[in-house]
Amino acid sequence: SAVISQKPSRDICQRGTSLTIQCQVDSQVTMMFWYRQQPGQSLTLIATANQGSEATYESGFVIDKFPISRPNLTFSTLTVSNMSPEDSSIYLCSVEDPGLAGGTDTQYFGPGTRLTVL
Amino acid sequence: DQQVKQNSPSLSVQEGRISILNCDYTNSMFDYFLWYKKYPAEGPTFLISISSIKDKNEDGRFTVFLNKSAKHLSLHIVPSQPGDSAVYFCAALARGGGSNYKLTFGKGTLLTVNP
Repeated sequence: SAVISQKPSRDICQRGTSLTIQCQVDSQVTMMFWYRQQPGQSLTLIATANQGSEATYESGFVIDKFPISRPNLTFSTLTVSNMSPEDSSIYLCSVEDPGLAGGTDTQYFGPGTRLTVL
Repeated sequence: DQQVKQNSPSLSVQEGRISILNCDYTNSMFDYFLWYKKYPAEGPTFLISISSIKDKNEDGRFTVFLNKSAKHLSLHIVPSQPGDSAVYFCAALARGGGSNYKLTFGKGTLLTVNP
């Protein structure tokens, strides 16, 4: 499977500010995704990060709040904008590629970024 | 409305015995299912998957069973080891759906294997 890293691993932020989370993969991958896990909840897909074009957002998530970039096949960023305490969550990137051990349809996850908004 | 449900928040078993983790789903469009294991402060690690055309898939100590008519799947770990202690997530995918990359997760079951 791919080695996926995220920066920062955790952060504590003030409300109204923004935080950009980075996701780096050690090999080129077809698909990259961003998920959120709120306290006590399951993982929820925020968006699919598309290389060279705008991300595809799931219902309930908008680009103004969660802008995403994907400049190449190994890197993506997620920004959490104008944060409020409700944004306190673990944010995870995941990747999928036919060349990985699980093949198509299996996603591999990064270690996550634990965000606390005061 | 939770489409993937793991009704047991926690499970405790003795080392060497079988651990059975259960998962139910409501969306009949789901046709691919995955189990992930998550340790604290780490991301979910892929364990095993099963396609809806099968009813069983085995990988070492891990076996996943799928009962499509009951919309139920289970993960069996035999024998259980203390290192298996983690949160286990069930996830489902509707490959033919419009959002065919979207994994839908359950809330997880905390497995504790006692020495």
